[in-house]
Order: sequence, then structure tokens, then C-alpha cells
Amino acid sequence: DVKVTQSSRYLVKRTGEKVFLECVQDMDHENMFWYRQDPGLGLRLIYFSYDVKMKEKGDIPEGYSVSREKKERFSLILESASTNQTSMYLCASSSLGQGMNTEAFFGQGTRLTVV
Amino acid sequence: AQSVTQLGSHVSVSEGALVLLRCNYSSSVPPYLFWYVQYPNQGLQLLLKYTSAATLVKGINGFEAEFKKSETSFHLTKPSAHMSDAAEYFCAVSDRRYSTLTFGKGTMLLVSP
Repeated sequence: DVKVTQSSRYLVKRTGEKVFLECVQDMDHENMFWYRQDPGLGLRLIYFSYDVKMKEKGDIPEGYSVSREKKERFSLILESASTNQTSMYLCASSSLGQGMNTEAFFGQGTRLTVV
Repeated sequence: AQSVTQLGSHVSVSEGALVLLRCNYSSSVPPYLFWYVQYPNQGLQLLLKYTSAATLVKGINGFEAEFKKSETSFHLTKPSAHMSDAAEYFCAVSDRRYSTLTFGKGTMLLVSP
């Protein structure tokens, strides 16, 4: 069974802390993505990566960075957490297929609360 | 730029009734379109996808969607709702180069007995 695993389901962090959200996929996918989900706004793309050490900004990259040192692992970093980053974060992966046959597989999500 | 509009943030149906969730897209190139479902406290699961092979697409759990280019629509339907269909549904369009998804804001489906 294909799997995208996010390291935490729930996290509570303090304002100003550096926060790491980890994601691992076991499908040998080239593409990995971080989305943020907020009520009434749907999912918005933060960053994505199409290869090891490669990263591209999505629609809302401000306040975030990412790291992809290994193909299977994609980390989202909040350099200095703020309360407006309280949200559900979803990681996804897909194979390199130019969109046509690339179904994205999602992790269970990490609900982050910044206090 | 691509975009997706889902009409209705909440849709309520009775068990056994027709389910219709609306999705309109905007894309400068022929789109790849997806419907995902999210059950409470879970990630997203693919229901079905349109990749230009056939305009009527069948998915899991009895759902289907029809691609209508003239209406730029990709509405999701199910003939008979079940209580277990209660969830949030997202329509999305894919970027052809990197497979990034642009999502609609979602529609919460409520099913009453």
C-alpha cells in the first residue's frame, strides 16, 4: 500500500520557535509538495520539489522554507513560527508524469497550533 | 494561471438522493482535473481524474464526473447518497509541467437520514 507519512498529527509550538514538519514517502516519487489547508480557503501550495535538492516556491512561500536531501524525504521549516501559521499542513507526492498520469498521494496531515 | 471554483461551500442531501457537487475551472491549456475527498481528520483521497481520455469519468464509491469543455465544468455526481459519503470534496486542476494542484475551496457534503 502506497504511503506518505507525516511525522506528527498534532503539534503545539510557541511563537518564534523554529518548527520542522517532516514527510516521508515510500513510492520512489520524484515530486513532493507541501500544502496548507485553512477553512474556507481550500488547499494552497507552499513549496514543491521535483528532485533531490531542488525546490520551487508555490503560491504562499513567505515564512517557510523546505529541504530535500533525500528523494523520499521532504521537510517544511517554519523559521520563526507565528500565530498566523496555525493551520493544517498536508504533504503529498507524485511520480514524474507531466500531470497526465500523476495522481498525488497525500499524508494524513499535521495540525499545527502556534501559541 | 489556472483556477478552480466550487459553487456552494455546503451541500445537504438526504440519504438516497442525488449528489451534485459543482466545479468550474479556468485553464489556458487543456486541463487535467481531479476530485479528491477528505474525511474528518484525514488526508485527501483521490476520487477520480480527467486526463482527456474520456469525458465521462468513473471513480470510486459510485462517483462520476463529466468534463464539459464548452461549460468549463467538471461536476461530480452520485445517483444515491449514502451516510458514509459525508465528507469534504475538493476539485483541483493540475499544472502540466510539475503536477502541482490548484484546488477549489471545497464543498462539505452533509447527508441526513
